[in-house]
Amino acid sequence: SAVISQKPSRDICQRGTSLTIQCQVDSQVTMMFWYRQQPGQSLTLIATANQGSEATYESGFVIDKFPISRPNLTFSTLTVSNMSPEDSSIYLCSVDALEGYTFGSGTRLTVV
Amino acid sequence: GENVEQHPSTLSVQEGDSAVIKCTYSDSASNYFPWYKQELGKGPQLIIDIRSNVGEKKDQRIAVTLNKTAKHFSLHITETQPEDSAVYFCAASIGYKLSFGAGTTVTVRA
Repeated sequence: SAVISQKPSRDICQRGTSLTIQCQVDSQVTMMFWYRQQPGQSLTLIATANQGSEATYESGFVIDKFPISRPNLTFSTLTVSNMSPEDSSIYLCSVDALEGYTFGSGTRLTVV
Repeated sequence: GENVEQHPSTLSVQEGDSAVIKCTYSDSASNYFPWYKQELGKGPQLIIDIRSNVGEKKDQRIAVTLNKTAKHFSLHITETQPEDSAVYFCAASIGYKLSFGAGTTVTVRA
């Protein structure tokens, strides 16, 4: 099964700053997905990232706030920009692997 | 878009008993229904899935059933063990987009 590595695993950031989260997969995948999981809540899709094209954002999420890069078929980054305490969440990377949609262990972000 | 409802929100069972979690979905075009287990501090782990051309699927102590007509699907865990304690999420997919239920916190009492 696909193995996903996310960095950092957790961070505490000051409001107004930005954090870039990295997602590395051990195999080539067409689509990579970024989710947000607010404390005690379910998962919400932020955007879908395809290599060589701009990410597709879901309703309520915009590129200026969550810019995404997808330079190749095994790597993607999500940046959380101009952070506020409301951005405190777990951010998860996911891929569509042969065995189904696989998730990374997540990045636990706290904004103070 | 797709709307997935999940019940119950919490479930406490005695070790060895069965646990059942139910989900309903709104869009009849949904064709893929995975279940995830999320332990504290970890990402969701796919435990079983079912596609719309199948009514039931079983993997050891875990089974999933799908009723396309009623647009609901269920997770069944038999002979529960303490390590089954976690948050379980159902999801429904149209194409590549997964829509998740709100989650069920399962506690298995020893």
